[in-house]
Amino acid sequence: GAVVSQHPSWVICKSGTSVKIECRSLDFQATTMFWYRQFPKQSLMLMATSNEGSKATYEQGVEKDKFLINHASLTLSTLTVTSAHPEDSSFYICSANREDQPQHFGDGTRLSIL
Amino acid sequence: TQLLEQSPQFLSIQEGENLTVYCNSSSVFSSLQWYRQEPGEGPVLLVTVVTGGEVKKLKRLTFQFGDARKDSSLHITAAQPGDTGLYLCAGAIQGGSEKLVFGKGTKLTVNP
Repeated sequence: GAVVSQHPSWVICKSGTSVKIECRSLDFQATTMFWYRQFPKQSLMLMATSNEGSKATYEQGVEKDKFLINHASLTLSTLTVTSAHPEDSSFYICSANREDQPQHFGDGTRLSIL
Repeated sequence: TQLLEQSPQFLSIQEGENLTVYCNSSSVFSSLQWYRQEPGEGPVLLVTVVTGGEVKKLKRLTFQFGDARKDSSLHITAAQPGDTGLYLCAGAIQGGSEKLVFGKGTKLTVNP
């Protein structure tokens, strides 16, 4: 069964809206979670590393004020796309690490901005 | 910037044929994972290779990690239509940061 749950799976909203995506580790504590973005027919690009209780680490070129990440507990990280525009439309995927184990991925969130 | 070059990008074969997908880098990875991703879903882990020269088998899939831990291959024997999907390799960056660098993926289509 799934060990990482992502919600919502699909969201459509108007330009200018802020959208929050949740990533939960279901049966383990994840001190580190990762957020990726995947455009059609492309691979996963790491956006940021989310650390419980501290600020996220963003990859080069990713606007931290645009993509707000909060990792308030050991089982939940959230990504908020602020003032979303059509170019932000993408497939957003989170992952979480169990200790000494590979990353487990959520099923992704399809974000469509009209 | 650590890059992972994956090839081929697209592969369309007939059922029963064999195929190999390659991932190459100039960087050394502490481990390398292979994932399979279906449309609209997150990647699902197939295997992790850690030791240089390591070979792992998963039914008809054979995974190899290069001796220098810079490259890896996925070989599928007697491909079946159910093998159709996007295969991704991902290297774990040395240094304990746990970040993964993904290849661009191989879109495999196995025709009946």
